Amino acid sequence: DAGITQSPRHKVTETGTPVTLRCHQTENHRYMYWYRQDPGHGLRLIHYSYGVKDTDKGEVSDGYSVSRSKTEDFLLTLESATSSQTSVYFCAISELTSGTYEQYFGPGTRLTVT
Amino acid sequence: RKEVEQDPGPFNVPEGATVAFNCTYSNSASQSFFWYRQDCRKEPKLLMSVYSSGNEDGRFTAQLNRASQYISLLIRDSKLSDSATYLCVVNLDRGSTLGRLYFGRGTQLTVWP
Repeated sequence: DAGITQSPRHKVTETGTPVTLRCHQTENHRYMYWYRQDPGHGLRLIHYSYGVKDTDKGEVSDGYSVSRSKTEDFLLTLESATSSQTSVYFCAISELTSGTYEQYFGPGTRLTVT
Repeated sequence: RKEVEQDPGPFNVPEGATVAFNCTYSNSASQSFFWYRQDCRKEPKLLMSVYSSGNEDGRFTAQLNRASQYISLLIRDSKLSDSATYLCVVNLDRGSTLGRLYFGRGTQLTVWP
């Protein structure tokens, strides 16, 4: 158990509204990631963070922003939700194991944009 | 072309069978390789990292062929509890801890009694 929680676990929102998803970890991991998972696609990286206030874009970052003001929290914001952002969102942390950085995932947030 | 390609299956096998999954990756600079399993409506869970020399964990064996850019997972003596989707995952970041992973779409396995 990597000590990762995500909130909310489920959310339904309307097109055009802002939405913030929270990822919380308790083990002081430096690296954190946000992915989305959609049918027909593998998980795709949205944004990642390599420290407090240090973030960068992944392969599908358009329409998303992130913030990391504390080591334990990584927030993902949809500035103006669209139906194409209906997805399952997973947060992950990275941990060094036997010389390899392995990622462990939170339980996910199911977001529906109507 | 996708970074990671997997046979989507589905694979339907009886208990006790041996099943093998294959995966190819497009970027020869890829540095780290993993197999994850994902149960329905759950998060992906790391099954095993894949090392150049190949590695085994109980009934699971992973192989890496860098020359062919090919990764495999072999499951022996399948159990009902092995039913899941298996994700092939590649990290393209050379010498970096950033670990931006690229996921295959997954191979679905169903083990029947």
